[in-house]
Amino acid sequence: DTGVSQNPRHKITKRGQNVTFRCDPISEHNRLYWYRQTLGQGPEFLTYFQNEAQLEKSRLLSDRFSAERPKGSFSTLEIQRTEQGDSAMYLCASSGWVPKGEKLFFGSGTQLSVL
Amino acid sequence: QQQVKQSPQSLIVQKGGISIINCAYENTAFDYFPWYQQFPGKGPALLIAIRPDVSEKKEGRFTISFNKSAKQFSLHIMDSQPGDSATYFCAASLIVNQAGTALIFGKGTTLSVSS
Repeated sequence: DTGVSQNPRHKITKRGQNVTFRCDPISEHNRLYWYRQTLGQGPEFLTYFQNEAQLEKSRLLSDRFSAERPKGSFSTLEIQRTEQGDSAMYLCASSGWVPKGEKLFFGSGTQLSVL
Repeated sequence: QQQVKQSPQSLIVQKGGISIINCAYENTAFDYFPWYQQFPGKGPALLIAIRPDVSEKKEGRFTISFNKSAKQFSLHIMDSQPGDSATYFCAASLIVNQAGTALIFGKGTTLSVSS
């Protein structure tokens, strides 16, 4: 399968613990995005990488959140000192350059539950 | 001003009928308007998209109508089928740092097509 892969699919953790999610984008895509989706809502933009450079961060991304994309390949999203409000689906998307209109390919997400 | 308002929240249509979902926006900086389809447990998948210099785009049974002056756009699904039952999100695209894309999503419409 050559789509966007996210691991784990589900994560249950206790409040205060740290968690890390991984995203493997489509191999030829140089842009990678993280979004967060809560129940009954549309996805919300968190951050964006072009190759290994993190170029944009939403104000939703508090200092407890950190994302990396070493060598411009896979990406990780870490949440430190998790809170119950962090419970959500974390979606990764990748894209290649398209002259008119960027097409994002989303993974199936990591569902985080903070108890 | 960054919001995209989507209606209705839920929609029930008979097989063979027309499903219509509406969206409205305020920010004239949005330059690309995609629609995404999401099935339970999956990430959103791009269905169809339009740029603001076009008033209508059709792909198979799916049509976007775009009214730039009213800042509104809508998705029409012709000959709706049970397999179309999913959550549909409209979105609007903002260019971010170095031509990346931040998608602003509506809250979604849950479509049920009854057989």
